[in-house]
Amino acid sequence: AQTVTQSQPEMSVQEAETVTLSCTYDTSENNYYLFWYKQPPSRQMILVIRQEAYKQQNATENRFSVNFQKAAKSFSLKISDSQLGDTAMYFCAFIGDSNYQLIWGAGTKLIIKP
Amino acid sequence: SQTIHQWPATLVQPVGSPLSLECTVEGTSNPNLYWYRQAAGRGLQLLFYSVGIGQISSEVPQNLSASRPQDRQFILSSKKLLLSDSGFYLCACKTGGNTEAFFGQGTRLTVV
Repeated sequence: AQTVTQSQPEMSVQEAETVTLSCTYDTSENNYYLFWYKQPPSRQMILVIRQEAYKQQNATENRFSVNFQKAAKSFSLKISDSQLGDTAMYFCAFIGDSNYQLIWGAGTKLIIKP
Repeated sequence: SQTIHQWPATLVQPVGSPLSLECTVEGTSNPNLYWYRQAAGRGLQLLFYSVGIGQISSEVPQNLSASRPQDRQFILSSKKLLLSDSGFYLCACKTGGNTEAFFGQGTRLTVV
């Protein structure tokens, strides 16, 4: 079975610091996509970043970047120069070629302190 | 790009009353549609998904049902709500392939 594991239920850092959220997954598929979603207190789910498994280059979106280690099945999210508005739940998600649906991690609650 | 409309945003219903939550999609055709439930501070639980009109797959046996009467319309229903049906319900849409899902703004349901 395909699974996504986020081992950090909650993290907190000071504003402007860098923080890394962990995600590991398990699959036997070779082609798949990975995503990080952000859910702020409004509870709107927002896509932060996506990574195609066949691409070796790590995806980057402004202050957000990933460290994708395919052999280790690891997909961590790094937030640089963290801002108060980054406070949210962060979910890691996976979808493989044979799936109709995303497989979700349990989420990490990130608190950015002023 | 896709836009997901989900309503109502907030709903308070008595136990035993019926439920109908509606989700419509703009900007794409033949999407995969999903209903999720989320407890406070927790992850997403997939309830139903649909790959086409009239095609519904249920992931969790429960007091709820779903229907897809039109290509871009997805409805979550219940004949008689239970207290345990309270939660935050999210509708999501994705196009075919390994693409990301887009979400509606959610419905906060409180059963009293």
